[in-house]
Amino acid sequence: TQLLEQSPQFLSIQEGENLTVYCNSSSVFSSLQWYRQEPGEGPVLLVTVVTGGEVKKLKRLTFQFGDARKDSSLHITAAQPGDTGLYLCAGAGMLTFGGGTRLMVKP
Amino acid sequence: NAGVTQTPKFQVLKTGQSMTLQCAQDMNHNSMYWYRQDPGMGLRLIYYSASEGTTDKGEVPNGYNVSRLNKREFSLRLESAAPSQTSVYFCASSALSRTGTYNSPLHFGNGTRLTVT
Repeated sequence: TQLLEQSPQFLSIQEGENLTVYCNSSSVFSSLQWYRQEPGEGPVLLVTVVTGGEVKKLKRLTFQFGDARKDSSLHITAAQPGDTGLYLCAGAGMLTFGGGTRLMVKP
Repeated sequence: NAGVTQTPKFQVLKTGQSMTLQCAQDMNHNSMYWYRQDPGMGLRLIYYSASEGTTDKGEVPNGYNVSRLNKREFSLRLESAAPSQTSVYFCASSALSRTGTYNSPLHFGNGTRLTVT
């Protein structure tokens, strides 16, 4: 059974701080996706990373896929209150998600 | 574009009552899914339909049934609601099934908030 572990589970920071959240597995994935769920809404796809070592940037968000394609990280620079939400990762071939990181950015 | 539409948005049931949650997608996607999300938690898969005419159990299928009515519609039925089924239910769809090596993106509806008293 493939499992994805996300850390930390909760993160509360001030506006302007930087942060990194992680998605780890013992399995190798051909690709991995990150989703963000804002309060009261369904999750929305942020990015798909495909190649080991790949780095993708989406404005202030930087996504990295591990060289061995077993892990991924999401780094947010100068977090804003609009970044508040639940961040979820999902691997290719998986119908389930990691447990998520719940981020709160305080003004 | 409507994407994935779920009805109703809110529902309150008494223990033992039944109801059907409706989901429809207009993206011509092959696969559809039902998840539940409990307060402060991640998403757990209830049932999925990899293609029209097929359905399979997910992690937490007990107490639920599903029907893939056609390519567009996938309904979730609670035959005898229990307080443990109080949750937010999300329907999602993907162009291709995620059961293979594909990582076909999931498109979610905005959820049905169900309370069972």
